[in-house]
Amino acid sequence: AQKVTQAQTEISVVEKEDVTLDCVYETRDTTYYLFWYKQPPSGELVFLIRRNSFDEQNEISGRYSWNFQKSTSSFNFTITASQVVDSAVYFCALSEASTDSWGKLQFGAGTQVVVTP
Amino acid sequence: EAQVTQNPRYLITVTGKKLTVTCSQNMNHEYMSWYRQDPGLGLRQIYYSMNVEVTDKGDVPEGYKVSRKEKRNFPLILESPSPNQTSLYFCASSLGGKGSGNTIYFGEGSWLTVV
Repeated sequence: AQKVTQAQTEISVVEKEDVTLDCVYETRDTTYYLFWYKQPPSGELVFLIRRNSFDEQNEISGRYSWNFQKSTSSFNFTITASQVVDSAVYFCALSEASTDSWGKLQFGAGTQVVVTP
Repeated sequence: EAQVTQNPRYLITVTGKKLTVTCSQNMNHEYMSWYRQDPGLGLRQIYYSMNVEVTDKGDVPEGYKVSRKEKRNFPLILESPSPNQTSLYFCASSLGGKGSGNTIYFGEGSWLTVV
């Protein structure tokens, strides 16, 4: 069963618009970690954020912000005032603390963000 | 600089011709793994290693082999590549530790095409 769902396959926006990427996860662990990665057209994976299950505080980093809500099992990502350089595929991922999943990242299918000038 | 280095970055090969994708990390990480990325499926784990001489299957291990003879290196071996192994491959490493949730570092990716 898919443990991380990114329902949006592609989002297209015009520069300076805000864009929110949804991520819904599923786990029975009480301790787990959530990640967002960016994959630009060049292909590498760029780490953006890690959040542990005990820290529901929202976070802002420049134009990026994250909204973690355990009640809805969601970890959404917003880019404010988008720029062309934000065009990329964004992945949400889950790491569970249980023995069977030790160290493993489970990825969503990714959301392609296209920002046009 | 902390790095995970993969080689080759780009490769086109023919069905059945054995190939190895190397991976090396300079962070003294215990945990290393390989993922493949396919459209609409995200990244899926192929194999992982918790330390030297300790390896185990991930979600999609068929057609692949790995070895971990040294802490820094974790090569991915395709003994007899087939076209369905055409994919983008990532090596990853982290400090590891059960439930640690340590940041996982990825290599730059290896684009493999099997014709």
